Amino acid sequence: QVQLQESGPGLVKPSETLSLTCTVSGASISSFYWNWLRQPPGKGLEWIGYSHHTGSTYYNPSLQSRVTISVDTSKNQFSLRLTSVTAADTAVYYCVKWHNDFKAFDVWGQGTLVSVSS
Amino acid sequence: EIVLTQSPGTLSLSPGERATLSCRASQSVSSSDLTWYQQKPGQAPRLLIYGASSTATAIPDRFSGSGSGTDFTLTISRLEPEDFAVYYCQHYRSSPVTFGGGTKVEI
Repeated sequence: QVQLQESGPGLVKPSETLSLTCTVSGASISSFYWNWLRQPPGKGLEWIGYSHHTGSTYYNPSLQSRVTISVDTSKNQFSLRLTSVTAADTAVYYCVKWHNDFKAFDVWGQGTLVSVSS
Repeated sequence: EIVLTQSPGTLSLSPGERATLSCRASQSVSSSDLTWYQQKPGQAPRLLIYGASSTATAIPDRFSGSGSGTDFTLTISRLEPEDFAVYYCQHYRSSPVTFGGGTKVEI
């Protein structure tokens, strides 16, 4: 059974960099596409981007200039970096596995709330 | 970018009733690219339906999806107490991947 677990600071100061890590268990990070999504409090879902172990990445154009998603095959983890954060980046961040046959997000981490505040 | 519009925003029903949720795309999309998720308060979304009509693993058969082109529907045949949640549709081939705004099914 594939499980994902987010980790990282729950509070980030404005203009600083948000960094989160997702630990994958039950599957090899060298398979599948690994995604980050977020959900501001009380609002809907926003896809941030994905990374593949081959180095292939694709980001939401609205965030592209500030986002990096990378895969660490040695640790079976993938990570999110979001630079120059503002209060608008306050959200629950989810790491999510993409099922290529279903064309759907089939396994989700529990989510972690990151607040941007001084 | 394909925009997904879900309606109604809120659906107020009682346990045992039938729920019909709509997802309309701003342009025609392939049925294979349309997905539904359920999200309960404080939880991550859960995959319900993929390919517009295929039920994901462990999803009860009271959930069904249908539709084509621009109009898609999620139906819950008889609402159970645990079905009261927010439901999102999502399209795969949008760039970026996009979600509808959600329908809240409340008691």
